Amino acid sequence: DIQMTQSPSSVSASVGDRVTITCRASQGISSWLAWYQQKPGKAPKLLIYAASSLQSGVPSRFSGSGSGTDFTLTISSLQPEDFATYYCQQANSFLGVTFGPGTKVDIK
Amino acid sequence: EVQLVQSGAEVKKPGESLRISCKGSGYSFTSYWISWVRQMPGKGLEWMGRIDPSDSYTNYSPSFQGHVTISADKSISTAYLQWSSLKASDTAMYYCARGYSGDAFDIWGQGTMVTVSS
Repeated sequence: DIQMTQSPSSVSASVGDRVTITCRASQGISSWLAWYQQKPGKAPKLLIYAASSLQSGVPSRFSGSGSGTDFTLTISSLQPEDFATYYCQQANSFLGVTFGPGTKVDIK
Repeated sequence: EVQLVQSGAEVKKPGESLRISCKGSGYSFTSYWISWVRQMPGKGLEWMGRIDPSDSYTNYSPSFQGHVTISADKSISTAYLQWSSLKASDTAMYYCARGYSGDAFDIWGQGTMVTVSS
């Protein structure tokens, strides 16, 4: 299976900050990359699919980029409701769907 | 409203069997794969496998192959995850999710908490 890594594992930030999370695949996955937000006690929520496509209803302050092995999720101006854990996911089951270990964004 | 509704929390003993369910509504159930995802307490997300409800074709993660069975009944728009002999290490939250644009999951069930304890 393809291994996914994320950095940082946690980040402390303030409302209004720009936050960038990096995800790396152990081998090339083209653009088969999704990003999710999960809040405590809740199911994950799809933010970005196909590396850079914004899911319907997701605020435009979220953006994704990258292809191949290196990907980035950016929150342009952190809002109070954005404090959560973020996961990247290799989104091609024929390559073996795998999630990154997560990045927790908390209040500075 | 497009949604996946899962069955309720379960408390089981080691060695017991279990089947949990995930019912889709508001969309064509046979048009999208359903995946199952495990989240152990305080841990990350693990993909277990998926099913095409139109023909019940399945793919499993090697980590879960042989330990669980995924099935579906398209006549009632429901997917299932089952165990024949539970272990304490199966204690976790289990989510079903709809596959979209490859295997990005756009709709998630609310989760089913399975607790296995003697």
